[in-house]
Amino acid sequence: KQEVTQIPAALSVPEGENLVLNCSFTDSAIYNLQWFRQDPGKGLTSLLLIQSSQREQTSGRLNASLDKSSGRSTLYIAASQPGDSATYLCAVRNYGGSQGNLIFGKGTKLSVKP
Amino acid sequence: GAGVSQSPRYKVAKRGQDVALRCDPISGHVSLFWYQQALGQGPEFLTYFQNEAQLDKSGLPSDRFFAERPEGSVSTLKIQRTQQEDSAVYLCASSLAPGQLYTGELFFGEGSRLTVL
Repeated sequence: KQEVTQIPAALSVPEGENLVLNCSFTDSAIYNLQWFRQDPGKGLTSLLLIQSSQREQTSGRLNASLDKSSGRSTLYIAASQPGDSATYLCAVRNYGGSQGNLIFGKGTKLSVKP
Repeated sequence: GAGVSQSPRYKVAKRGQDVALRCDPISGHVSLFWYQQALGQGPEFLTYFQNEAQLDKSGLPSDRFFAERPEGSVSTLKIQRTQQEDSAVYLCASSLAPGQLYTGELFFGEGSRLTVL
């Protein structure tokens, strides 16, 4: 059974710092991996989607990498800003799984202090 | 519409009441999904529709949970005889179907927060 773990559970950094959020998964037979952002009381905003054949994706100050063989993904945030404060969720979709049956981690709650 | 729309945003129910939660997906998205998110947890898959067909309902926790999408657009998640453990945020997501332009990316609504007293 696929399990997704995110470390750390919470992170507090000063503004301007570069940071890395970690996601690990137990079954490497994934179809894709998606990073989301969730603000308090809000839904999920898709940040980056990495297909199983890809190594990384970039969007602005965000860079996500995928190492399928080791079951790891990282989300790198450059020059963090207070507006980046949110919970970041990692989710994988398995091969053979129902479309949209994403398996989520519990998230990393990020706080960026001005 | 421009995004996935859910209503109501907040619902308080007494134990034993029935509730209905509505989801209006992004226009043109044939795939629709329901997730349940308990406090402090990641979302968990409940069920999946492609058009009006419910192709996977393996995540529904009990037969008190029922979802429908009769015309292949708006979907309703119904919970009968609510229990306290049903308290959670119910998220709806939509995506394009496999085929042209399909990436597997899901787009989520803001959720319906259900509190059962």
